[in-house]
Amino acid sequence: ILNVEQSPQSLHVQEGDSTNFTCSFPSSNFYALHWYRWETAKSPEALFVMTLNGDEKKKGRISATLNTKEGYSYLYIKGSQPEDSATYLCARNTGNQFYFGTGTSLTVIP
Amino acid sequence: GAGVSQSPSNKVTEKGKDVELRCDPISGHTALYWYRQSLGQGLEFLIYFQGNSAPDKSGLPSDRFSAERTGGSVSTLTIQRTQQEDSAVYLCASSWGGGTIGNIQYFGAGTRLSVL
Repeated sequence: ILNVEQSPQSLHVQEGDSTNFTCSFPSSNFYALHWYRWETAKSPEALFVMTLNGDEKKKGRISATLNTKEGYSYLYIKGSQPEDSATYLCARNTGNQFYFGTGTSLTVIP
Repeated sequence: GAGVSQSPSNKVTEKGKDVELRCDPISGHTALYWYRQSLGQGLEFLIYFQGNSAPDKSGLPSDRFSAERTGGSVSTLTIQRTQQEDSAVYLCASSWGGGTIGNIQYFGAGTRLSVL
């Protein structure tokens, strides 16, 4: 994998459903992996910064895991709510630069 | 201010004109980043400042793009002789330190540039 890739590109779920999506990145020269949430008409907001293989982070109903050896991170949302609707971006940090994926657009249907 | 501020929020310009986009980072943040997001694309890194210096300009797409930062604070991204492919949302972010593993970036709301 040369670039940061996210899947799926978009996702529609019912309120109350749990969901997850994937961020894949080059496993070499890994420094850190960032997750951001970008709501329409707002600024991207940092969710997690993950640096160690096996890291698990949690913030309310949202959690993330990291596998640096195989180059992927999962973001999980438990019991999705309409306010979770946003684009979720991941970014690979290699010191000075951040390489972003194209994001997963999540729509939670009430 | 409380957050990263960008101006203008929207800019419509004619092809061939020059534009300046401004970013006011969070006070005390030494690192500042510019990105752009073209339609259907991910966030594309443009340039990074540590203080007033730009150790990494590798993302600037052409010599029509330039950026400066003064006083370790405000930054201006200038696009000369704009082209239609420059149309995008330009985002600025700042953080406490650059090149540091795990530094959280705080983003502005962006400037939406439309080149007619």
